[in-house]
Amino acid sequence: KAGVTQTPRYLIKTRGQQVTLSCSPISGHRSVSWYQQTPGQGLQFLFEYFSETQRNKGNFPGRFSGRQFSNSRSEMNVSTLELGDSALYLCASSPASGAIYNEQFFGPGTRLTVL
Amino acid sequence: GQQVMQIPQYQHVQEGEDFTTYCNSSTTLSNIQWYKQRPGGHPVFLIQLVKSGEVKKQKRLTFQFGEAKKNSSLHITATQTTDVGTYFCAGPAGGGNKLTFGTGTQLKVEL
Repeated sequence: KAGVTQTPRYLIKTRGQQVTLSCSPISGHRSVSWYQQTPGQGLQFLFEYFSETQRNKGNFPGRFSGRQFSNSRSEMNVSTLELGDSALYLCASSPASGAIYNEQFFGPGTRLTVL
Repeated sequence: GQQVMQIPQYQHVQEGEDFTTYCNSSTTLSNIQWYKQRPGGHPVFLIQLVKSGEVKKQKRLTFQFGEAKKNSSLHITATQTTDVGTYFCAGPAGGGNKLTFGTGTQLKVEL
Protein backbone atom coordinates (compact mmCIF):
# COMPACT_ATOMS: atom_id res chain seq x y z
CA LYS A 1 0.00 0.00 0.00
CA ALA A 2 1.25 3.46 -0.78
CA GLY A 3 1.88 5.68 2.21
CA VAL A 4 0.45 9.09 2.99
CA THR A 5 1.43 11.60 0.34
CA GLN A 6 1.55 15.36 0.67
CA THR A 7 1.94 18.02 -1.97
CA PRO A 8 3.77 20.21 -2.43
CA ARG A 9 6.78 19.20 -0.37
CA TYR A 10 8.20 22.71 -0.22
CA LEU A 11 6.54 26.09 -0.56
CA ILE A 12 7.71 29.67 -0.27
CA LYS A 13 5.14 32.41 0.14
CA THR A 14 5.09 36.04 1.23
CA ARG A 15 3.13 37.59 4.05
CA GLY A 16 -0.51 38.21 3.24
CA GLN A 17 -0.75 35.47 0.64
CA GLN A 18 -2.79 32.31 1.06
CA VAL A 19 -1.74 28.72 0.59
CA THR A 20 -3.42 25.35 0.04
CA LEU A 21 -1.76 22.09 1.05
CA SER A 22 -2.92 18.69 -0.06
CA CYS A 23 -2.87 15.28 1.61
CA SER A 24 -3.77 11.85 0.22
CA PRO A 25 -4.24 9.28 2.99
CA ILE A 26 -3.48 5.60 2.81
CA SER A 27 -6.14 3.80 0.82
CA GLY A 28 -9.04 2.85 3.07
CA HIS A 29 -8.20 5.35 5.80
CA ARG A 30 -11.09 7.70 6.52
CA SER A 31 -9.52 9.83 9.24
CA VAL A 32 -7.09 12.60 8.29
CA SER A 33 -5.45 14.88 10.83
CA TRP A 34 -3.23 17.89 10.31
CA TYR A 35 -0.39 19.02 12.57
CA GLN A 36 1.92 21.99 12.58
CA GLN A 37 5.50 21.39 13.67
CA THR A 38 7.85 24.21 14.65
CA PRO A 39 11.05 24.22 16.72
CA GLY A 40 9.48 26.46 19.33
CA GLN A 41 5.99 24.96 19.71
CA GLY A 42 6.64 21.36 18.73
CA LEU A 43 3.86 19.28 17.19
CA GLN A 44 0.49 20.97 17.47
CA PHE A 45 -2.84 19.56 16.35
CA LEU A 46 -4.71 21.65 13.79
CA PHE A 47 -7.81 19.61 12.94
CA GLU A 48 -9.14 16.17 12.10
CA TYR A 49 -11.54 15.14 9.39
CA PHE A 50 -13.49 11.92 9.30
CA SER A 51 -15.93 11.05 6.53
CA GLU A 52 -15.81 14.62 5.19
CA THR A 53 -16.71 16.15 8.56
CA GLN A 54 -14.41 18.11 10.83
CA ARG A 55 -14.41 16.11 14.01
CA ASN A 56 -11.81 17.93 16.08
CA LYS A 57 -10.17 21.31 16.01
CA GLY A 58 -7.06 22.64 17.69
CA ASN A 59 -6.35 26.11 19.02
CA PHE A 60 -5.48 27.88 15.81
CA PRO A 61 -7.03 31.06 14.39
CA GLY A 62 -9.73 30.95 11.78
CA ARG A 63 -7.14 31.66 9.07
CA PHE A 64 -6.45 27.93 9.22
CA SER A 65 -9.15 25.84 7.60
CA GLY A 66 -9.49 22.48 5.98
CA ARG A 67 -11.77 20.11 4.21
CA GLN A 68 -12.02 16.49 3.22
CA PHE A 69 -13.35 15.07 0.00
CA SER A 70 -15.42 11.95 -0.57
CA ASN A 71 -12.28 9.99 -1.51
CA SER A 72 -10.78 10.96 1.90
CA ARG A 73 -8.20 13.28 0.38
CA SER A 74 -7.84 16.41 2.44
CA GLU A 75 -6.71 19.96 1.95
CA MET A 76 -5.80 22.64 4.39
CA ASN A 77 -5.79 26.32 3.66
CA VAL A 78 -4.03 29.16 5.41
CA SER A 79 -5.13 32.65 4.50
CA THR A 80 -3.35 35.94 5.13
CA LEU A 81 -0.05 34.27 5.87
CA GLU A 82 2.11 35.53 8.71
CA LEU A 83 5.81 34.99 9.32
CA GLY A 84 4.94 32.75 12.27
CA ASP A 85 3.13 30.34 9.97
CA SER A 86 6.47 29.08 8.69
CA ALA A 87 6.51 25.45 9.73
CA LEU A 88 6.40 21.83 8.67
CA TYR A 89 2.78 20.86 8.09
CA LEU A 90 2.17 17.17 8.63
CA CYS A 91 -0.80 15.15 7.60
CA ALA A 92 -1.63 11.87 9.33
CA SER A 93 -4.17 9.25 8.40
CA SER A 94 -5.67 6.51 10.49
CA PRO A 95 -7.80 3.50 9.65
CA ALA A 96 -9.78 3.78 12.86
CA SER A 97 -12.50 6.13 13.93
CA GLY A 98 -10.88 6.97 17.22
CA ALA A 99 -11.20 3.62 18.87
CA ILE A 100 -8.51 2.59 21.33
CA TYR A 101 -6.07 1.44 18.70
CA ASN A 102 -5.64 4.44 16.40
CA GLU A 103 -2.13 4.43 15.05
CA GLN A 104 -1.38 7.54 13.05
CA PHE A 105 0.47 7.25 9.74
CA PHE A 106 2.25 10.48 8.91
CA GLY A 107 3.11 11.85 5.52
CA PRO A 108 6.47 13.47 4.69
CA GLY A 109 5.09 16.93 5.34
CA THR A 110 5.01 20.24 3.50
CA ARG A 111 7.72 22.71 4.49
CA LEU A 112 6.15 26.19 4.30
CA THR A 113 8.36 29.26 4.45
CA VAL A 114 6.73 32.68 4.75
CA LEU A 115 8.91 35.64 3.79
CA GLY B 1 -5.58 22.39 28.62
CA GLN B 2 -3.81 19.06 28.59
CA GLN B 3 -0.02 19.27 28.65
CA VAL B 4 2.46 16.50 27.97
CA MET B 5 6.05 17.09 28.98
CA GLN B 6 9.09 15.00 28.24
CA ILE B 7 12.51 14.93 29.83
CA PRO B 8 15.25 15.25 28.98
CA GLN B 9 14.95 17.60 26.01
CA TYR B 10 18.28 16.41 24.60
CA GLN B 11 20.47 13.42 25.26
CA HIS B 12 23.90 12.62 23.86
CA VAL B 13 25.14 9.10 24.45
CA GLN B 14 28.03 6.96 23.32
CA GLU B 15 27.05 4.01 21.19
CA GLY B 16 26.33 1.08 23.45
CA GLU B 17 25.05 3.17 26.35
CA ASP B 18 21.46 3.01 27.51
CA PHE B 19 18.92 5.80 27.04
CA THR B 20 15.65 6.66 28.76
CA THR B 21 13.07 9.35 28.05
CA TYR B 22 10.22 10.14 30.42
CA CYS B 23 6.79 11.44 29.53
CA ASN B 24 4.40 13.11 31.97
CA SER B 25 0.84 14.16 31.30
CA SER B 26 -1.15 16.72 33.26
CA THR B 27 -4.23 14.51 32.89
CA THR B 28 -4.97 10.79 33.07
CA LEU B 29 -4.64 9.14 29.68
CA SER B 30 -6.74 6.32 28.26
CA ASN B 31 -3.71 5.25 26.25
CA ILE B 32 -0.33 6.57 25.17
CA GLN B 33 1.50 6.31 21.88
CA TRP B 34 5.18 6.67 21.06
CA TYR B 35 6.61 8.00 17.82
CA LYS B 36 10.12 8.39 16.43
CA GLN B 37 11.14 11.15 14.04
CA ARG B 38 14.46 10.84 12.28
CA PRO B 39 16.29 14.07 11.33
CA GLY B 40 14.55 15.53 8.29
CA GLY B 41 11.82 12.91 8.49
CA HIS B 42 8.31 12.55 9.79
CA PRO B 43 6.97 10.88 12.94
CA VAL B 44 6.69 7.11 12.71
CA PHE B 45 4.48 5.16 15.08
CA LEU B 46 6.35 2.84 17.45
CA ILE B 47 3.81 1.50 19.89
CA GLN B 48 0.63 2.11 21.85
CA LEU B 49 0.10 1.27 25.53
CA VAL B 50 -3.38 0.97 26.99
CA LYS B 51 -3.33 -0.79 30.34
CA SER B 52 -2.18 0.64 33.66
CA GLY B 53 1.35 -0.59 34.43
CA GLU B 54 1.71 -2.11 30.97
CA VAL B 55 5.20 -2.96 29.76
CA LYS B 56 5.98 -3.78 26.15
CA LYS B 57 9.26 -4.63 24.47
CA GLN B 58 10.42 -4.25 20.90
CA LYS B 59 13.91 -5.71 20.61
CA ARG B 60 16.11 -3.19 22.49
CA LEU B 61 13.22 -0.81 23.24
CA THR B 62 11.12 -1.13 26.42
CA PHE B 63 7.99 0.95 26.88
CA GLN B 64 6.16 1.38 30.16
CA PHE B 65 2.83 2.98 31.07
CA GLY B 66 2.52 4.22 34.63
CA GLU B 67 0.11 2.79 37.17
CA ALA B 68 -1.80 6.07 37.34
CA LYS B 69 -1.81 6.32 33.52
CA LYS B 70 -0.28 9.79 33.68
CA ASN B 71 3.29 8.92 32.80
CA SER B 72 5.25 6.69 30.52
CA SER B 73 8.84 5.89 29.66
CA LEU B 74 10.88 4.58 26.78
CA HIS B 75 14.15 2.82 27.51
CA ILE B 76 16.65 1.84 24.82
CA THR B 77 19.31 -0.68 25.74
CA ALA B 78 22.73 -0.51 24.09
CA THR B 79 21.99 2.37 21.73
CA GLN B 80 23.04 2.23 18.10
CA THR B 81 23.52 5.01 15.55
CA THR B 82 20.24 3.94 13.98
CA ASP B 83 18.46 5.07 17.16
CA VAL B 84 19.25 8.73 16.40
CA GLY B 85 16.15 10.91 16.23
CA THR B 86 13.51 12.59 18.33
CA TYR B 87 11.16 10.46 20.40
CA PHE B 88 7.68 11.74 21.11
CA CYS B 89 4.97 10.45 23.35
CA ALA B 90 1.39 11.38 22.52
CA GLY B 91 -1.89 11.08 24.34
CA PRO B 92 -5.49 11.38 23.21
CA ALA B 93 -6.96 14.83 23.74
CA GLY B 94 -10.67 14.53 23.33
CA GLY B 95 -12.55 12.39 20.88
CA GLY B 96 -11.49 11.01 17.58
CA ASN B 97 -7.83 10.85 16.69
CA LYS B 98 -6.76 14.17 18.20
CA LEU B 99 -3.41 13.74 19.92
CA THR B 100 -1.43 15.97 22.24
CA PHE B 101 2.22 15.36 21.55
CA GLY B 102 4.92 15.60 24.16
CA THR B 103 7.76 18.06 23.85
CA GLY B 104 10.05 15.32 22.53
CA THR B 105 13.50 14.04 23.45
CA GLN B 106 16.22 14.39 20.86
CA LEU B 107 18.71 11.54 20.99
CA LYS B 108 22.19 11.75 19.48
CA VAL B 109 24.43 8.72 19.45
CA GLU B 110 28.18 9.12 19.04
CA LEU B 111 30.53 6.38 17.94
